[in-house]
Amino acid sequence: QKEVEQDPGPLSVPEGAIVSLNCTYSNSAFQYFMWYRQYSRKGPELLMYTYSSGNKEDGRFTAQVDKSSKYISLFIRDSQPSDSATYLCAMSAYGGSQGNLIFGKGTKLSVKP
Amino acid sequence: EAGVAQSPRYKIIEKRQSVAFWCNPISGHATLYWYQQILGQGPKLLIQFQNNGVVDDSQLPKDRFSAERLKGVDSTLKIQPAKLEDSAVYLCASSPRAGGGNEQFFGPGTRLTVL
Repeated sequence: QKEVEQDPGPLSVPEGAIVSLNCTYSNSAFQYFMWYRQYSRKGPELLMYTYSSGNKEDGRFTAQVDKSSKYISLFIRDSQPSDSATYLCAMSAYGGSQGNLIFGKGTKLSVKP
Repeated sequence: EAGVAQSPRYKIIEKRQSVAFWCNPISGHATLYWYQQILGQGPKLLIQFQNNGVVDDSQLPKDRFSAERLKGVDSTLKIQPAKLEDSAVYLCASSPRAGGGNEQFFGPGTRLTVL
C-alpha cells in the first residue's frame, strides 16, 4: 500500500460546478496536510495548508482533514476554467527525517467553459 | 520577491551521458530541496539541504546522482551516467525553515529527456 493514494483522474466538470478532490494515507504520523496546484510545465504552488484535523477555508477553496479516517479533501466552489490544473495532495510528519513532504500522484482537473 | 530559479528548462541527452542542473533559491531561504517528478507521478524528494549541509539524501541514487550546495545558496544536481528511467522533471524548492511542515516554494523545473 502506498503511503498516499490519490485518484489521478482526469476529472472534467462544467464551469461553476463544485469540485471535490480527495486523498487517503496510511501513515498515522502525518500532521501537516497541503494541497498544491500545478499548471502544465510549471512547478507546484501551495494552495492550502492545514495542521492536524479540521477545516480551512480560503475564498473558493476549502480543505478538510479527517485524521481518524486518514482522509483529506479539497473542495473548489464555483469552479473556473482557470482552475484547470493538476492538484497534488502532500503531507508530512513533524520534524527531522520524517519532516519531508510525501506527495500523491495528482488529480488532473479540467473545467469546461 | 524573485522566485526559485532553475536552468536549463529543457535538456535532451543520450543514455550514459552526464548532465547538470542549477538552482538558485529564494533569497534568505535556508532549506533547499531537489525533487524528481516522473510523468503522471507526484514529486519525490531526492535530497534536502539545510544551509550547505545535507539533511536527507536517503532517496538519492548515489551511484549516479550527486548534489552540492556551495556557500549555502545555489545548488547543482548532477547525473552521471544517465539512464532512460531518469527522464523526468527535476524540481528545486526552497523554504525559510527546515521540516516538511513548512511551505516550500517550487521553481519551474528542468525537463530531462534521456534517449
